[in-house]
Amino acid sequence: EAQVTQNPRYLITVTGKKLTVTCSQNMNHEYMSWYRQDPGLGLRQIYYSMNVEVTDKGDVPEGYKVSRKEKRNFPLILESPSPNQTSLYFCASSLYSGTTNSPLHFGNGTRLTVT
Amino acid sequence: AQKITQTQPGMFVQEKEAVTLDCTYDTSDQSYGLFWYKQPSSGEMIFLIYQGSYDEQNATEGRYSLNFQKARKSANLVISASQLGDSAMYFCAMREGGNTDKLIFGTGTRLQVFP
Repeated sequence: EAQVTQNPRYLITVTGKKLTVTCSQNMNHEYMSWYRQDPGLGLRQIYYSMNVEVTDKGDVPEGYKVSRKEKRNFPLILESPSPNQTSLYFCASSLYSGTTNSPLHFGNGTRLTVT
Repeated sequence: AQKITQTQPGMFVQEKEAVTLDCTYDTSDQSYGLFWYKQPSSGEMIFLIYQGSYDEQNATEGRYSLNFQKARKSANLVISASQLGDSAMYFCAMREGGNTDKLIFGTGTRLQVFP
């Protein structure tokens, strides 16, 4: 089944404890990205990747890192999480980069709480 | 700046009736794509329908249709014959071409379908 898989679905951690949220897609998509969803703000892009080894900042990149060593994987790293990073996170992918007609396919989300 | 506006925080509709969810957008690009996503209470983001800026016909996908009025910069979602399972958050989004491929989201409309 074609899908974007994120893990974990739920995560509770403490301030400053490094964590990684994994994301994998099995559709051979070029483009992958991370979003966070906060009430009243919709979804905002954190980082994106146009292809392997090509990543760039989105609208809210502070406090996050990403890497794209393989086409299928795009992990999100929080080196020192803080409470303002408590949010619902989505990984997404699409077949092509540089086109407007390619929908994003989303993972099921990771609900992160930082205390 | 590119922007998506959804002015209806919440909508109610009776089962089997049609409902229109409003979306306006702002962009200076000529080439862009407009998308609607559904987010049920379980949290996942489900792609519903796409409309390209150069498409002359309104997009349709089953019970979903997109009322695209380019001059007014609106892309309203019409759901016909509403079902109880349509109760969810609905997000309008715009994707521009170029280097970021970013999907810009509105703040969403919560639709509740009652019997």
